[in-house]
Amino acid sequence: AQSVSQHNHHVILSEAASLELGCNYSYGGTVNLFWYVQYPGQHLQLLLKYFSGDPLVKGIKGFEAEFIKSKFSFNLRKPSVQWSDTAEYFCAVNAGRNNDMRFGAGTRLTVKP
Amino acid sequence: DGGITQSPKYLFRKEGQNVTLSCEQNLNHDAMYWYRQDPGQGLRLIYYSQIVNDFQKGDIAEGYSVSREKKESFPLTVTSAQKNPTAFYLCASRERGGTDTQYFGPGTRLTVL
Repeated sequence: AQSVSQHNHHVILSEAASLELGCNYSYGGTVNLFWYVQYPGQHLQLLLKYFSGDPLVKGIKGFEAEFIKSKFSFNLRKPSVQWSDTAEYFCAVNAGRNNDMRFGAGTRLTVKP
Repeated sequence: DGGITQSPKYLFRKEGQNVTLSCEQNLNHDAMYWYRQDPGQGLRLIYYSQIVNDFQKGDIAEGYSVSREKKESFPLTVTSAQKNPTAFYLCASRERGGTDTQYFGPGTRLTVL
């Protein structure tokens, strides 16, 4: 069965630090990849997604992610984080004919002002 | 104002009682989903429905039931058979077509006393 691994459970950074959150998946076929963000007290929101084409995907709020097929990875990056980026981040993979999504366990990001 | 609504935001029930969580969408999406979110475990799929009058079990369907009588509505019943029902429940819907993006409601936090 397909699965998604997020290796960092809690990341603490100071403002202006660079961010990279890891995401690996286990599925050999064609996949659609997503990063969702959940700000405190808010809905789960789509940050960015990859379906095909350029493996470097840009999302909202300065986030980007790179799909590396050979590594089964879709890591999320931001060059300079802000206090307002404090949230929980979820990687998700959609594959197969049933279109059901698999989510990672989430990474909680705390940005210190 | 289009979107997904879940009510209520907080729900308390006594052990042994069935409880139904509401999910309504006015996005005209065909597919709808129910997830359970627990700390450190990400989102786990309970049930999903690709079309009216049809639904499939997800990874953790035991102790839950759903119905899909209308396109706009996908209520989830947490039955007394669910061993650990206290959790945060998220409903999502997906637009028809190639994007496979899921959009989430605000969630219902269920506490069983």
